[in-house]
Amino acid sequence: GQQLNQSPQSMFIQEGEDVSMNCTSSSIFNTWLWYKQDPGEGPVLLIALYKAGELTSNGRLTAQFGITRKDSFLNISASIPSDVGIYFCAGPSGTSYGKLTFGQGTILTVHP
Amino acid sequence: DAGITQSPRHKVTETGTPVTLRCHQTENHRYMYWYRQDPGHGLRLIHYSYGVKDTDKGEVSDGYSVSRSKTEDFLLTLESATSSQTSVYFCATKGQGATNYGYTFGSGTRLTVV
Repeated sequence: GQQLNQSPQSMFIQEGEDVSMNCTSSSIFNTWLWYKQDPGEGPVLLIALYKAGELTSNGRLTAQFGITRKDSFLNISASIPSDVGIYFCAGPSGTSYGKLTFGQGTILTVHP
Repeated sequence: DAGITQSPRHKVTETGTPVTLRCHQTENHRYMYWYRQDPGHGLRLIHYSYGVKDTDKGEVSDGYSVSRSKTEDFLLTLESATSSQTSVYFCATKGQGATNYGYTFGSGTRLTVV
């Protein structure tokens, strides 16, 4: 089946630093999504990307849909303690019923 | 009211016993999904539903069954729990629209099989 590989697996940063993470696939995706999971909660959609080369922002978050359609990137600027959590990339699994394949996640820890 | 409610939130059960997890939604969403979350594996699809009584298997369906008798409720059953099914289980829903991938997730059920 399709697999998404996220890196890094974990990050430990100081408050105020910028963060970059990425997601790669051996298959082409027509949609890329980024979710964030706060501790003890379910994931929440941050950004959805629908076109190769697309760059989309949501506050301090910026995500890009790679031009090869096999990768995507998420950047967080000026990190704050509430950015702590697990960040997942995801892409459609198959062409029907809205199924998603998720990456393994990047665990982000922000030190005040 | 929360859009998606999962119950129970925590459960400890013994190997070999049947277990049923419940997902209840008030979103009137057609599509519902069960995922399990394990360290190093992210979220993996167990089963999904595309309507009342319409369900199908995901990538890790062995040992699990589901039922959806009403739009609001999607039940996940572990027929005979094993230690490998110790995990956090998430239910998610999705509304209509082919390109709408904005899942709404529940808060999860932490299941421990001893």
